[in-house]
Amino acid sequence: ELKVEQNPLFLSMQEGKNYTIYCNYSTTSDRLYWYRQDPGKSLESLFVLLSNGAVKQEGRLMASLDTKARLSTLHITAAVHDLSATYFCAVDIRSQGGSEKLVFGKGTKLTVNP
Amino acid sequence: DTGVSQDPRHKITKRGQNVTFRCDPISEHNRLYWYRQTLGQGPEFLTYFQNEAQLEKSRLLSDRFSAERPKGSFSTLEIQRTEQGDSAMYLCASSRGPFYSNQPQHFGDGTRLSIL
Repeated sequence: ELKVEQNPLFLSMQEGKNYTIYCNYSTTSDRLYWYRQDPGKSLESLFVLLSNGAVKQEGRLMASLDTKARLSTLHITAAVHDLSATYFCAVDIRSQGGSEKLVFGKGTKLTVNP
Repeated sequence: DTGVSQDPRHKITKRGQNVTFRCDPISEHNRLYWYRQTLGQGPEFLTYFQNEAQLEKSRLLSDRFSAERPKGSFSTLEIQRTEQGDSAMYLCASSRGPFYSNQPQHFGDGTRLSIL
């Protein structure tokens, strides 16, 4: 059974600081997604990582994928309050073709303090 | 692109009652997924459809749960004889497939089910 582990599960940081969220998974997959969820809201897609060594950046967030280590990271640069949310990584389990089922980590609840 | 639409947003019911949720996917998406999310956890996969065919069901989907997508457009998820443990957020997602592997699943706002 595929396991997806995120750490830390809770992260409190000051504005302007940098930090990294880690996502480890237990079986071979070459597709990994990062989502953001605000309280009471649904999931917003942030990044789609499709191959070993993939790196994507959007604003203060940068995600990377190392399929050999079965590890993805989400790096936060110079955090701002608006980044406060819960971040999920999800690994795509598929037998053929496009996206099938996603297995999610438990999420990292990020709080950015002034 | 009007997004994935779910109805109702909230449902409160008594234990033992049946409930049905509806999901309207993004119009050009032929894959539709149902997930369940409990407080403090990530979403858990329940089932998915490609067009009208239900291709996979999780073992979480007991025989009290049934999902349909009769015309390959909207989908319904029915829970019969609800139990306290069914209280959760039920999320629907859709995606293109199988030749659009670079695109994520798009999620709706969910239906929050509370069992009294």
